Amino acid sequence: DTEVTQTPKHLVMGMTNKKSLKCEQHMGHRAMYWYKQKAKKPPELMFVYSYEKLSINESVPSRFSPECPNSSLLNLHLHALQPEDSALYLCASRAPGTSNTEAFFGQGTRLTVV
Amino acid sequence: GDSVTQMEGPVTLSEEAFLTINCTYTATGYPSLFWYVQYPGEGLQLLLKATKADDKGSNKGFEATYRKETTSFHLEKGSVQVSDSAVYFCALSSLTGTASKLTFGTGTRLQVTL
Repeated sequence: DTEVTQTPKHLVMGMTNKKSLKCEQHMGHRAMYWYKQKAKKPPELMFVYSYEKLSINESVPSRFSPECPNSSLLNLHLHALQPEDSALYLCASRAPGTSNTEAFFGQGTRLTVV
Repeated sequence: GDSVTQMEGPVTLSEEAFLTINCTYTATGYPSLFWYVQYPGEGLQLLLKATKADDKGSNKGFEATYRKETTSFHLEKGSVQVSDSAVYFCALSSLTGTASKLTFGTGTRLQVTL
């Protein structure tokens, strides 16, 4: 199984809502990532978890709150978002502590903030 | 910091034409280099990779050679097909402590016509 599964595929939320994005993988990867991708732009790294601990936070606003409850799951909790946060949110996983292995990406959650 | 520069798109080619997408990088140390492809509405898929100088990555008729002396990793394909139409991202991978991160170029959109 080389899949990274993200749910939901699409999400529309108001600026006062609280929602969560979910990501799951069963490849035994102990590094998991959240990326944000705006239209016609490259993915931008948001967070990296290594062995279920937050390793990198790329100065992301606190209205985005990541959580890694176990080695297979990664969540991104959303609260009080702005319309400019509308984007494709991509999850990825990889073997930790290496820079030469493939990162596997999910299909993404397309988020629209209204 | 690490960075990747890709040629601006879009690139429009006729089927069976030769493809080159230029990619150069700036990094400390010895990064691994990747090409990822993104089809419309999907996540990213690894196309090929190279992990050390002079390595050639290849897959599905695409190839790229890691050139340390010119800090380049240009993508080539001898005969493109309509199904190759997608966005192509060059990326480098580096370690920060125990966490590795991918840094992407801006992406090059390829459109192949009959």
